[in-house]
Amino acid sequence: EAGVTQSPTHLIKTRGQQATLRCSPISGHTSVYWYQQALGLGLQFLLWYDEGEERNRGNFPPRFSGRQFPNYSSELNVNALELEDSALYLCASSLFHRGAYEQYFGPGTRLTVT
Amino acid sequence: GQNIDQPTEMTATEGAIVQINCTYQTSGFNGLFWYQQHAGEAPTFLSYNVLDGLEEKGRFSSFLSRSKGYSYLLLKELQMKDSASYLCAVSDYKLSFGAGTTVTVRA
Repeated sequence: EAGVTQSPTHLIKTRGQQATLRCSPISGHTSVYWYQQALGLGLQFLLWYDEGEERNRGNFPPRFSGRQFPNYSSELNVNALELEDSALYLCASSLFHRGAYEQYFGPGTRLTVT
Repeated sequence: GQNIDQPTEMTATEGAIVQINCTYQTSGFNGLFWYQQHAGEAPTFLSYNVLDGLEEKGRFSSFLSRSKGYSYLLLKELQMKDSASYLCAVSDYKLSFGAGTTVTVRA
C-alpha cells in the first residue's frame, strides 16, 4: 500500500512570492492534515481537511490556506512568503481506528524562503 | 489549548531500557500518540493509547493514565538505530505535539 506522498520535495522561493505544496493521502483515507516544523521547533498544526471541507485550523495567519479535492488530495498555499515561513511542511492522512485517528505522515516538503 | 511536556534529551547504552515520560494538560482528548523522528525525516507512527493501561508493540511499549494526564514510552533492548527524537502527541482530531525528546544510544 502506497504511503502519503508530497510534492515537491524541496521548494525555494523569495520573500513575497507564493508557494503551493501538494499532498496525496493513503488510499481510503479521507482526512488530510498539514503541519509546519520550523528548524529547532516542534510540529505545529496548520490545517485539517475532511471530505473536502476545512474542519479546523491552527494559529496561523490567513495567508496560509488550502483545499481538498474530490479525490482527497490536498494543496497548501502560502501567500506573501516571509523568511520565517522556511520550514519542513508535513502532510498526514488519517484513519479512524480503535477510537482514535491514527495519522501517517508523508516525507514532507522543505520550503526555503530567501 | 494543549500543554505537553517531555524531557529534552536522554542518553542510554545499547541494549538498555529507556523510559520517556510525557505529561499533558488538554482541552480535548481522544488519544495519545508516540512518533519517532530521525533528523531531517518525517515522523513515523510508533503507538497510541486511547484507554488507560499498557500497549506493547515489540520492543516499544506505551502507557497512559488519563486521570493523571501522563504517558510514557518504553524502549527496550536499545539499538543504535533508535537514536532519534521521540514525539508525544495528544489528539483531539488534530495532533498537538510536545517538543520531542532526543534519545542518544551509545555503544
